[in-house]
Amino acid sequence: DIQMTQSPSSLSASVGDRVTITCQASQDISNYLNWYQQKPGKAPKLLIYDASNLETGVPSRFSGSGSGTDFTFTISSLQPEDIATYYCQQYDNLLGTFGQGTRLEIK
Amino acid sequence: EVQLVESGGGLVQPGGSLRLSCAASGFTVSSNYMSWVRQAPGKGLEWVSVIYSGGSTYYADSVKGRFTISRDNSKNTLYLQMNSLRAEDTAVYYCARGHGDYWGQGTLVTVSS
Repeated sequence: DIQMTQSPSSLSASVGDRVTITCQASQDISNYLNWYQQKPGKAPKLLIYDASNLETGVPSRFSGSGSGTDFTFTISSLQPEDIATYYCQQYDNLLGTFGQGTRLEIK
Repeated sequence: EVQLVESGGGLVQPGGSLRLSCAASGFTVSSNYMSWVRQAPGKGLEWVSVIYSGGSTYYADSVKGRFTISRDNSKNTLYLQMNSLRAEDTAVYYCARGHGDYWGQGTLVTVSS
């Protein structure tokens, strides 16, 4: 099974800050990686697909990069509505796996 | 408009069974690969099962032999038959299309005596 190691597990930042989350795969997954945002009581929302492509309707302050085993998710200027938990997810394997999640809070 | 609506969750005793449904609209279930993902209370996301457009199915080790994913093309609906349920199966269960571009709202399954 492919393991996804996501860090940090929690993060506190100020409005306007640049926020970065990383995800490392246990083996090469090419660019088969998604990033999701999940707010309490809601289903996950796809933000980034294929490692770096912005889903339609998602603000441009969200971005993703990387390939192979190392991936990065960035919010260029944190907004209050970005408070949520973020997950990476690989789909290179037959059954996808998620990272452990990063809980983002406002400082 | 693409929509996924889950149903069938509830309270069940350990060892019991439930069947979850995911009614789809705005696209054809049989033309996509479809997934069930679950989230235990306060925990992260776990991919449970996948059914590909060709009919191949895959399961997480934690549910293999107990859960069965299927679909009814005439009803455009995805199912998850869950047998021999355990306390650790307690979670919100989501259906999702493909890699996860669309998700349902989730249905809560509680396994408890």
